[in-house]
Amino acid sequence: DAMVIQNPRYQVTQFGKPVTLSCSQTLNHNVMYWYQQKSSQAPKLLFHYYDKDFNNEADTPDNFQSRRPNTSFCFLDIRSPGLGDAAMYLCATSRGGNYEQYFGPGTRLTVT
Amino acid sequence: AQSVTQLDSQVPVFEEAPVELRCNYSSSVSVYLFWYVQYPNQGLQLLLKYLSGSTLVKGINGFEAEFNKSQTSFHLRKPSVHISDTAEYFCAVSDPNYGGATNKLIFGTGTLLAVQP
Repeated sequence: DAMVIQNPRYQVTQFGKPVTLSCSQTLNHNVMYWYQQKSSQAPKLLFHYYDKDFNNEADTPDNFQSRRPNTSFCFLDIRSPGLGDAAMYLCATSRGGNYEQYFGPGTRLTVT
Repeated sequence: AQSVTQLDSQVPVFEEAPVELRCNYSSSVSVYLFWYVQYPNQGLQLLLKYLSGSTLVKGINGFEAEFNKSQTSFHLRKPSVHISDTAEYFCAVSDPNYGGATNKLIFGTGTLLAVQP
């Protein structure tokens, strides 16, 4: 089945230690999104790629970066995680012009 | 800017009873509206969406929602719930004019539907 895959599902990192979260898709969608969802809060868009074009939300901290080496993969890099970055990170995809987004299962990040 | 309010953080209901999950939004422009469901340890799944046309939208798993522009609401309903409907439900809006062909979703804080036997 076509899907959005996120690895790992659970990630523990130390304060200040760089961490990378991975997202891959078999849907061949040209748009990929990263959302952050803190406990009991709404998911919040961090940034997205339309093909290779990167679009950062104005309030996304500089500590968060992303890479998209090809259509299938997208990475979320957190350069120096703080305790406040502990959250569920959701990856989503969509076909450009189609407003339906397909979500992966998420990666729950714990910062110790 | 758009915002979404889901006033009920949790809705307990007995199996086979009807349920309504409330969603109100705020926007100065026309928006698209969505309901997503999140089962434990899973990603978000689209239940239904309103882009234009009929204000009554039918989705998967027997859910439906009605867009009410005057009340800026998009409440989700199901006439008879099952235990398997227990999940977190998120209402979301998007700005059709955001980023051309991409779609920024603004979510509410979610409503936990707890179906009891």
